Amino acid sequence: GENVEQHPSTLSVQEGDSAVIKCTYSDSASNYFPWYKQELGKRPQLIIDIRSNVGEKKDQRIAVTLNKTAKHFSLHITETQPEDSAVYFCAASPGGSNYKLTFGKGTLLTVNP
Amino acid sequence: GAVVSQHPSWVICKSGTSVKIECRSLDFQATTMFWYRQFPKQSLMLMATSNEGSKATYEQGVEKDKFLINHASLTLSTLTVTSAHPEDSSFYICSARVQGRFNEQFFGPGTRLTVL
Repeated sequence: GENVEQHPSTLSVQEGDSAVIKCTYSDSASNYFPWYKQELGKRPQLIIDIRSNVGEKKDQRIAVTLNKTAKHFSLHITETQPEDSAVYFCAASPGGSNYKLTFGKGTLLTVNP
Repeated sequence: GAVVSQHPSWVICKSGTSVKIECRSLDFQATTMFWYRQFPKQSLMLMATSNEGSKATYEQGVEKDKFLINHASLTLSTLTVTSAHPEDSSFYICSARVQGRFNEQFFGPGTRLTVL
């Protein structure tokens, strides 16, 4: 089955700096890669996603890049703000009739004011 | 759109009792729902995939007789934890796939289960 590795497990940045979280996946059939933000005790919220036919996607301060050859994808947050502090999870899905998501272990991002 | 609710938000029960958790898609029909378990400071672990009108598909290592899943309608899936034990204490989260929106899943707010 799919295996998703996520790094780093914790990340501390100063407000205004950029943050980068990286994930690798094992199943070359995976073609959908979402990123979720989860605040303590809350539901995961989809913040951005990318499909395998796209190399990069951007939404305001958030961007995701995908390298299918290397089987890795990354989340980039620019101009970080204290409210960006949360746990971020990457995930991968093989698509087709299999809609299962396999999650990475998560990254605790702390943005210091 | 694509709102998923869960009930209850938290529950405390005695060891040996059963607990039912409901997951509803409020403004869309969900042919597929997923049940996850999340232990403190850990990732989401998929327990089972619930398809409307058919039996759930359980992940390896998840006891189907202990975690009963029913997906009787296009807007409701239920997870029943039978004969709960303290080690079943966890955060249970459901998600629903929006048909026609590729693999996108929307999550419910979760249910905190504490078994005494």
